Amino acid sequence: QSVLTQPPSASGTPGQGVTISCSGSSSNIGSTYVYWYQQLPGTAPKLLFYRSNQRPSGVPDRFSGSKSGTSASLAISGLRSEDEADYYCAVWDDSLGGPVFGGGTKLTVL
Amino acid sequence: QVQLVQSGAEVKKPGASVKVSCKASGYTFTNYVMSWVRQAPGQGLECMGWINIGNGYTKYSQRFQGRVTITWDTSASTAYMELSGLRSEDTALYYCAREVSFSELDHWGQGTLVTVSS
Repeated sequence: QSVLTQPPSASGTPGQGVTISCSGSSSNIGSTYVYWYQQLPGTAPKLLFYRSNQRPSGVPDRFSGSKSGTSASLAISGLRSEDEADYYCAVWDDSLGGPVFGGGTKLTVL
Repeated sequence: QVQLVQSGAEVKKPGASVKVSCKASGYTFTNYVMSWVRQAPGQGLECMGWINIGNGYTKYSQRFQGRVTITWDTSASTAYMELSGLRSEDTALYYCAREVSFSELDHWGQGTLVTVSS
């Protein structure tokens, strides 16, 4: 069981918006940056956001990341079928000395 | 462009060891950390450990401590992850990923499927 909690699933119709949450604590999300990864079916994960809300080049601005207190959110507007993927949040865990991932959220575009 | 190319799929018997390679190109190999992340079938991502290629410092997840060894070969720009004492629960996809900073894994290998079966 991860220290970061994500809903196992989320869904929306094309054009809609959806938000995926990532809940942690003061010792992880509350004190460091959050990272988001997108894993399309059958592919390796891809960095979607770094430092909580920074988009790597090539990531559409339909995607936005935010953090408040001990929670973080990934928002996707104008859903497209190609957004259907698993999304993972991650933070650095000092006690583990490495990154920890949330359990992942499977996004379905209906 | 940055590329991480991993070795091919492996089938191992319980108790055996497996060594997965990750060949890097398109950047200065010694300037980054390489992490290893595994994903069991239908499951999430789990960091196994990482190595600072510049100074050789390694850190392993407690869950794999004693069973995992991460090494590197600068001349071949290749990192390796060896997992010993394999059990069926180790059946998973194993990824290498370049780490820019804490938890920022900006490039990933294609993954190597390791199947443990008698």
